[in-house]
Amino acid sequence: GDSVTQMEGPVTLSEEAFLTINCTYTATGYPSLFWYVQYPGEGLQLLLKATKADDKGSNKGFEATYRKETTSFHLEKGSVQVSDSAVYFCALSYGGSQGNLIFGKGTKLSVKP
Amino acid sequence: NAGVMQNPRHLVRRRGQEARLRCSPMKGHSHVYWYRQLPEEGLKFMVYLQKENIIDESGMPKERFSAEFPKEGPSILRIQQVVRGDSAAYFCASSDRNTGELFFGEGSRLTVL
Repeated sequence: GDSVTQMEGPVTLSEEAFLTINCTYTATGYPSLFWYVQYPGEGLQLLLKATKADDKGSNKGFEATYRKETTSFHLEKGSVQVSDSAVYFCALSYGGSQGNLIFGKGTKLSVKP
Repeated sequence: NAGVMQNPRHLVRRRGQEARLRCSPMKGHSHVYWYRQLPEEGLKFMVYLQKENIIDESGMPKERFSAEFPKEGPSILRIQQVVRGDSAAYFCASSDRNTGELFFGEGSRLTVL
């Protein structure tokens, strides 16, 4: 079945470091891809999305490109801040519906001053 | 502008008791989704409801679990005769349409003793 695999955390970085969180997927069709972020004590928030191959989603300095050839959607940020400390989830869904999302296990990021 | 409200935030039950989790969607949203997050796992889709209708319950366990979204009032996820394996965080999300962005609540954390 369809699935999402993320790099295992936790990931610890110093402020201003470059961030990459790997995400690959297995899908029978052509899903939409998402990154969600969960700050401590809060619910998940949509960070960015891409709906078709070669699309780039971006928000708050984060970027991810939908790579069909490598079935990947890696999350990147050039310079992380302490406030980026959170758990990041990669997810996919089909048919335009964002409701039936398939999530990865999440990657915890800690940014030290 | 209140977001998705879930209560209780924390619930402790003994084996065999019932757990009821409530979710009030964002104002104007008529689509509600429930997800379960087991320890060290990603979120798993459980059920998708619209007012008075269950649209997709493909992720719901066949026994002991039920969900409703009445015409008036919050959506309820009900777990009968809880077991230790039901201990998890249960997240509710809402959207204004099937293809709309999901907004998540902060989750309800169920602990079964």
